[in-house]
Amino acid sequence: GAGVSQSPSNKVTEKGKDVELRCDPISGHTALYWYRQSLGQGLEFLIYFQGNSAPDKSGLPSDRFSAERTGGSVSTLTIQRTQQEDSAVYLCASSPVLAEGVYGYTFGSGTRLTVV
Amino acid sequence: TQLLEQSPQFLSIQEGENLTVYCNSSSVFSSLQWYRQEPGEGPVLLVTVVTGGEVKKLKRLTFQFGDARKDSSLHITAAQTGDTGLYLCAGDNSGAGSYQLTFGKGTKLSVIP
Repeated sequence: GAGVSQSPSNKVTEKGKDVELRCDPISGHTALYWYRQSLGQGLEFLIYFQGNSAPDKSGLPSDRFSAERTGGSVSTLTIQRTQQEDSAVYLCASSPVLAEGVYGYTFGSGTRLTVV
Repeated sequence: TQLLEQSPQFLSIQEGENLTVYCNSSSVFSSLQWYRQEPGEGPVLLVTVVTGGEVKKLKRLTFQFGDARKDSSLHITAAQTGDTGLYLCAGDNSGAGSYQLTFGKGTKLSVIP
């Protein structure tokens, strides 16, 4: 597609429920990132996928968070047993292959998650 | 953990004024990127600076990378209401083997007509 597509754009869920957030990156971009943006906290790195390499999960805040990327394209971020502190905007970004250094990211518009 | 400190956090100015936003770190970065984010949207890349001392201009925006590649600044000349938004700097740690960007908390700019 022309840009990074995220769905849903808004999600309200009850505490304790599981949620799935979807990201469809730019075609041909092999690197895919998930970040979380909370009010006043900036962008917090969650997880990064690059081609067929093992993902860098070092930013996931707890074992309730997981992500997968199927066929090197679409990615799904899953949050199990959601808590109120999980409320944030979840941003997905993609970039071209990382040969040397980091290329600029193209971000999606994000999924605003509210846990009530 | 490599941190990026942005200042000021908030800036409200009149249309036509000049302003500078700063991004500082104690760590060296391979490159530094600036993004602008508008409400309800993801950040949009403005520029990447790579070489220490580098200056890049994008119309009324001037970006500078510090000689030691630890800090950067964004200067806007004759601000317009369309410049309103959240400005984020992001550091590239790939020289240390880490391929995710580290973001500052941002500077929220309001340009008043």
